[in-house]
Amino acid sequence: NFMLTQPHSVSESPGKTVTISCTRSSGSIASNYVQWYQQRPGSSPTTVIYENNQRPSGVPDRFSGSIDSSSTSASLTISGLKTEDEAAYYCQSYDFNNPWVFGGGTKLTVL
Amino acid sequence: EVQLVQSGAEVKKPGESLKISCKGSGYSFTTYWIGWVRQMPGKGLEWMGIIYPGDSDTRYSPSFQGQVTISADKSISTAHLQWSSLKASDTAMYYCARRFSTGRYFDYWGQGTLVTVSS
Repeated sequence: NFMLTQPHSVSESPGKTVTISCTRSSGSIASNYVQWYQQRPGSSPTTVIYENNQRPSGVPDRFSGSIDSSSTSASLTISGLKTEDEAAYYCQSYDFNNPWVFGGGTKLTVL
Repeated sequence: EVQLVQSGAEVKKPGESLKISCKGSGYSFTTYWIGWVRQMPGKGLEWMGIIYPGDSDTRYSPSFQGQVTISADKSISTAHLQWSSLKASDTAMYYCARRFSTGRYFDYWGQGTLVTVSS
């Protein structure tokens, strides 16, 4: 089994850029796609990035995803931060033996 | 419009049984997997299991195998999550979510069902 580790929290000011990491404990991060979900307080999760770097329709291009094949990490970058971006963000991936694995989540504070 | 509408909040006592539901609409219910995800109070997301309503093929997370039962009634486009004997530690928000057709991620989520188990 593998785990996905995220920082517990990050904070940044409006208008700035923040990057949230997601580190895979074993196996290559490039072996399977990584997704990112946003969960605002009191709401259901929504997808902001799928298949490493794809944005669903309706998600602004301020959101971008990437993976670092040389390491074991994926990243979610949010530029031009807005107060509405304040939420928890979860990465998610999988492998043959672990169909769905979520990271522990990162609480983003925009202040 | 794709929608997953879940049943309402439940308050139960330890040892009681429970079945919650997730009704899909706006798409072909039988051709998309439906997953269940637990979120305990103040905690993260945990995958519980997933079902293909077309033939009821079901997969469980090892953490939840034997603890819950996932089923689907395609005649009413509804998936279910059930417990035979609830514990206080089952207190959580439970989400159903649709798996994207060709990918290993969830593209639509229900609004969640809060289950509270307390004596």
